[in-house]
Amino acid sequence: AQKITQTQPGMFVQEKEAVTLDCTYDTSDPSYGLFWYKQPSSGEMIFLIYQGSYDQQNATEGRYSLNFQKARKSANLVISASQLGDSAMYFCAMREGQQGGSEKLVFGKGTKLTVNP
Amino acid sequence: NAGVTQTPKFQVLKTGQSMTLQCAQDMNHEYMSWYRQDPGMGLRLIHYSVGAGITDQGEVPNGYNVSRSTTEDFPLRLLSAAPSQTSVYFCASSYLSLQLPNSPLHFGNGTRLTVT
Repeated sequence: AQKITQTQPGMFVQEKEAVTLDCTYDTSDPSYGLFWYKQPSSGEMIFLIYQGSYDQQNATEGRYSLNFQKARKSANLVISASQLGDSAMYFCAMREGQQGGSEKLVFGKGTKLTVNP
Repeated sequence: NAGVTQTPKFQVLKTGQSMTLQCAQDMNHEYMSWYRQDPGMGLRLIHYSVGAGITDQGEVPNGYNVSRSTTEDFPLRLLSAAPSQTSVYFCASSYLSLQLPNSPLHFGNGTRLTVT
């Protein structure tokens, strides 16, 4: 079974609008971390935002925020005020068993976001 | 301020040839890993290491070997290249989650490998 599911292969958004990229995860471990990465067409992997399973508040980093719904096992990335430079692949990832666990980071298959002018 | 350095950037191999992809980091990270990225498949973990002398298999380890003799270096060896190993390879490192739970993976710039 997939640990990380990103159901949207591609998304389109108008410049300056907000967009939500979906991510659901599967784990029975109470301690885990969720990460989002951006990969522009140039190929590098850029870390965007982190959410820990015990964090009380949803993570935010500038225009990025995470809509973390623990009971539903979802960690959707919200990008506000989209810019042309946000066009990229976005990957959701999970590290299970934090605080002495497996250390492995497992990735979803990604969502390709296109921002239209 | 090098971060994670991967070499080479591009490589073309013939079926059956062997080669080593180099990875070095200067951030004193205990955790290092190798991923391959194929279209529509996301990033899949090949091998990883939680410290010098310790390695373990990821999702897709067949056809690849690793070793970790120092904290800084984590080379990936292709023993006998096959066309199915045509991919983009990423090396990544981080602090252990026990040290820093929110430590993200820092990625190298990738190696584009073609096996003909």
